[in-house]
Amino acid sequence: KNQVEQSPQSLIILEGKNCTLQCNYTVSPFSNLRWYKQDTGRGPVSLTIMTFSENTKSNGRYTATLDADTKQSSLHITASQLSDSASYICVVSLTGGFKTIFGAGTRLFVKA
Amino acid sequence: NAGVTQTPKFQVLKTGQSMTLQCAQDMNHEYMSWYRQDPGMGLRLIHYSVGAGITDQGEVPNGYNVSRSTTEDFPLRLLSAAPSQTSVYFCASRPPGRKAYNEQFFGPGTRLTVL
Repeated sequence: KNQVEQSPQSLIILEGKNCTLQCNYTVSPFSNLRWYKQDTGRGPVSLTIMTFSENTKSNGRYTATLDADTKQSSLHITASQLSDSASYICVVSLTGGFKTIFGAGTRLFVKA
Repeated sequence: NAGVTQTPKFQVLKTGQSMTLQCAQDMNHEYMSWYRQDPGMGLRLIHYSVGAGITDQGEVPNGYNVSRSTTEDFPLRLLSAAPSQTSVYFCASRPPGRKAYNEQFFGPGTRLTVL
């Protein structure tokens, strides 16, 4: 069964600290993996995308990694800001069409 | 560009009522889709469309209808609302070509409560 699991479910960190969010997937055939940021009351917005051959992708203070062998991805946030408070969703797409599998997300709270 | 727009933002229905959630995009995207987001679960696909006049069922289509008469609009109809349809609904669109690789652009969502 195609699944995307994220951990932790929620996380509280102090402003300025770093954090890492995890995503494990069992999806086949794999096309790409995206991380989305979803602010409260808003729709998800794409942060990064990685294909099978890419193992790191950065977008400002966000760095995503992908290990296609172990089917794991992580999203590292550096020097967190209050505006980073949001849900972060891992999404895996299958090849050959439009099918995508969404993780349940990690809810991040950044405190001053 | 306004991107993907959804109306209404909030809606409360009584069991058995029907309503239409509106979705529009001005990016000339062929692919559009409807998702529902429930606590503790990933977004689940309700229906999708690969172009005007073409729609298909997603993972959780029961109780919902869609139509696609134009490229821009993709309304979602709840035929007879049930409390199990209480959720946040997101419309999304995707540019043509490169299917699985292209980013989906999401609307702001509609929060629906069925009493």
